[in-house]
Amino acid sequence: SQQGEEDPQALSIQEGENATMNCSYKTSINNLQWYRQNSGRGLVHLILIRSNEREKHSGRLRVTLDTSKKSSSLLITASRAADTASYFCATDGGTPLVFGKGTRLSVIA
Amino acid sequence: DSGVTQTPKHLITATGQRVTLRCSPRSGDLSVYWYQQSLDQGLQFLIQYYNGEERAKGNILERFSAQQFPDLHSELNLSSLELGDSALYFCASSNLGTPNEKLFFGSGTQLSVL
Repeated sequence: SQQGEEDPQALSIQEGENATMNCSYKTSINNLQWYRQNSGRGLVHLILIRSNEREKHSGRLRVTLDTSKKSSSLLITASRAADTASYFCATDGGTPLVFGKGTRLSVIA
Repeated sequence: DSGVTQTPKHLITATGQRVTLRCSPRSGDLSVYWYQQSLDQGLQFLIQYYNGEERAKGNILERFSAQQFPDLHSELNLSSLELGDSALYFCASSNLGTPNEKLFFGSGTQLSVL
């Protein structure tokens, strides 16, 4: 069963705008990770946030985690055409990582 | 380059056939994971191995089997193939196989069952 669910399923923005993707999950977690997948290629790890952290930054990425709401968000600032990809959240929940179906981000130049 | 090697990149076969997908993990990683990605089901965890032993099992069909060899490479065997098995199959690896580690993914094997 899917643990994380990303929202929206698809997002289209102009280059330079910010993109926000959300992830909701159902059970308690130890950490939550975000991955990116360029079309038809393998997933690439972006960032990991632990359950005792509320916010984490990495370059143009900002991730927040609200364990009381069982949700996380990924913000990409000043988006570029190269950010066009699918983005997945993954939760541990005591098992190997379980991925959602992803958000497809299109950044239009 | 993630350091995880999957072969072949593409595989086209017929229903009822059997295929083997191969994965070499990143140097030093002891754990291998197999995932299946299809448009309707998303990314589904199939099975995990750690240092040659099965560690966790997910939504893997009985027609599918896997193993990890002493040199740590892994193979996923798919038999009695059906049209619905067409998907992108990913192998990933991590160092210790614990849930708080990030995974390194291979580029996948695109399986088409005709």
